[in-house]
Amino acid sequence: AQKVTQAQTEISVVEKEDVTLDCVYETRDTTYYLFWYKQPPSGELVFLIRRNSFDEQNEISGRYSWNFQKSTSSFNFTITASQVVDSAVYFCALSEAIGGTSYGKLTFGQGTILTVHP
Amino acid sequence: DTAVSQTPKYLVTQMGNDKSIKCEQNLGHDTMYWYKQDSKKFLKIMFSYNNKELIINETVPNRFSPKSPDKAHLNLHINSLELGDSAVYFCASSQVSGLAGRNEQFFGPGTRLTVL
Repeated sequence: AQKVTQAQTEISVVEKEDVTLDCVYETRDTTYYLFWYKQPPSGELVFLIRRNSFDEQNEISGRYSWNFQKSTSSFNFTITASQVVDSAVYFCALSEAIGGTSYGKLTFGQGTILTVHP
Repeated sequence: DTAVSQTPKYLVTQMGNDKSIKCEQNLGHDTMYWYKQDSKKFLKIMFSYNNKELIINETVPNRFSPKSPDKAHLNLHINSLELGDSAVYFCASSQVSGLAGRNEQFFGPGTRLTVL
């Protein structure tokens, strides 16, 4: 069975601080996908990134960066120079490879509430 | 231009009533999903349809019945509503099959259901 753990329930930082959100996953699949979604106070779920299990290259997008380490089954998310607008709930999620029987269903972590204070 | 839309956005109803939530996607995706987000923000898959065929049914009470009239629509009907059904319900879609399959799921805005 697949499982995603986000051990940090809530994180509070002051603007301009860097913050890292942890994500640890469990799966028996050799090929899988990892995702991060953002849920701002308005409630919608915003797709941030998708990472294949066979691609361990880290990715940077503006102030966002992701560190994927297969050896430790982790897919951590770092926001550099945080801003108030980054305040949201962040979800890490896992799905098996395309073509599997689960048809891409996402298994979500519990979410991390990030609050960035001015 | 909205990729995945849901109606209504808010639904307040009495226990025992029957209600429906509608979902439409204009992304041309072949797979649609319903997720439930509870009061603790936990998101869990309920159903998945691929090309109008039910693929996933995750231990959801029989009172919940999804219906997919075509690939672009996936509606959720709930009978005999209970207090515990109060939650936010998200519809999502993705392209799973074929060379274009990438599996990012795009979510609708959510429907906040409150059962009194």
